Amino acid sequence: KQEVTQIPAALSVPEGENLVLNCSFTDSAIYNLQWFRQDPGKGLTSLLLIQSSQREQTSGRLNASLDKSSGRSTLYIAASQPGDSATYLCAVHHRGSTLGRLYFGRGTQLTVWP
Amino acid sequence: GAVVSQHPSWVICKSGTSVKIECRSLDFQATTMFWYRQFPKQSLMLMATSNEGSKATYEQGVEKDKFLINHASLTLSTLTVTSAHPEDSSFYICSAPLRTGYYNEQFFGPGTRLTVL
Repeated sequence: KQEVTQIPAALSVPEGENLVLNCSFTDSAIYNLQWFRQDPGKGLTSLLLIQSSQREQTSGRLNASLDKSSGRSTLYIAASQPGDSATYLCAVHHRGSTLGRLYFGRGTQLTVWP
Repeated sequence: GAVVSQHPSWVICKSGTSVKIECRSLDFQATTMFWYRQFPKQSLMLMATSNEGSKATYEQGVEKDKFLINHASLTLSTLTVTSAHPEDSSFYICSAPLRTGYYNEQFFGPGTRLTVL
């Protein structure tokens, strides 16, 4: 069974800092890994999707890396802003499971204060 | 991009009543949709996989008679919480996969907040 862990559970930083959020998964047999953002009481916004054959993906100030063999991914946020405050979820699409079924971590709750 | 909608966005009901939540893929067809549940400060947990034209597949520990799923068309799946109780209060989110390029990407609805009094 695939288990996804995210560290830290919560993070509070001043504006402008560069951040690293960590995600680990127990089974490296994955199709892809996806990072989401969730605002309070809202649905999920997809940030980045990394295929199992890829090492990283970038979108604006966000950079996500994937080390499948070690079961780890990091989300790097450059020059953080108060608008980045949200919960960030990591999810993996595990091979052998129903196509599209994702396993989620509990998330990292990020607060960026001005 | 692909859009998935949910209705209602929130609902409050009395204990013992049934509540129906709709999940629609607006600009693409989905033979499979997924229903997740999220309790406060917890992760999303898959409840069931909805399959168009056939029975849903439920995760272990999810009561299929309590959480009725109907995937009536290629763009609509419904989740009905029957005889709801306060412990069913949660955030329910659906998703639908769409093949983009070489892989399937999940698109999520905005979620439905259910509060059972």
